[in-house]
Amino acid sequence: EVQLVQSGAEVKKPGESLKISCKGSGYSFTSYWIGWVRQKPGKGLEWMGIIYPGDSDTRYSPSFQGQVTISADKSISTAYLQWSSLKASDTAMYYCARQLWFGVNFLGMDVWGQGTTVTVSS
Amino acid sequence: QSVLTQPPSVSAAPGQKLTISCSGSSSNIGNNYVSWYQQLPGTAPKLLIYDNNKRPSGIPDRFSGSKSGTSATLGITGLQTGDEADYYCGTWDSRLSAVFGGGTKLTVL
Repeated sequence: EVQLVQSGAEVKKPGESLKISCKGSGYSFTSYWIGWVRQKPGKGLEWMGIIYPGDSDTRYSPSFQGQVTISADKSISTAYLQWSSLKASDTAMYYCARQLWFGVNFLGMDVWGQGTTVTVSS
Repeated sequence: QSVLTQPPSVSAAPGQKLTISCSGSSSNIGNNYVSWYQQLPGTAPKLLIYDNNKRPSGIPDRFSGSKSGTSATLGITGLQTGDEADYYCGTWDSRLSAVFGGGTKLTVL
């Protein structure tokens, strides 16, 4: 079964650092882009960026460039989303999702993790 | 404010059919492929339609997608109470980012 399994919920204070994970299984992890999507409470989906685990090529949404770091360890089929200094406004659910591409054409996101809740509060 | 525009809510009775619209521009929908996602309450989004009109394995043919110009439409026939969810359209944008609509809440009356 193809699946993405994310790390558990986190509660942090403003200014703290955090790294959450997304482990892929059931497919060739290095052959698909993996992306991260933010969903604030009661709000819609926001695409943050993607990484190609095969060569760690990374792209960021202009809205999230410089705010987070996306990385991957292909040896353990795991992608990461990292903050160096959290803010209360980072409180949200974060999903990882496998990206479908055909050449240079983005087709959608076909496999989603279960989500990781991040709460930032003093 | 989302890049793609969807109606905030739609409703219909069980067994009926409805459509959800998604409006964009030449920077996104007009020159890229559209996908649709269903998010049931408290769960992760699920891919319903990709590549404008293709259904992943396991998605019933009650769900359909189409695209014309800078707009796309999700169609659902034979509405069921289990279809109550939020629905999102998505595509690529020329600003080198994927974008989503604001979401549409479907109520089955």
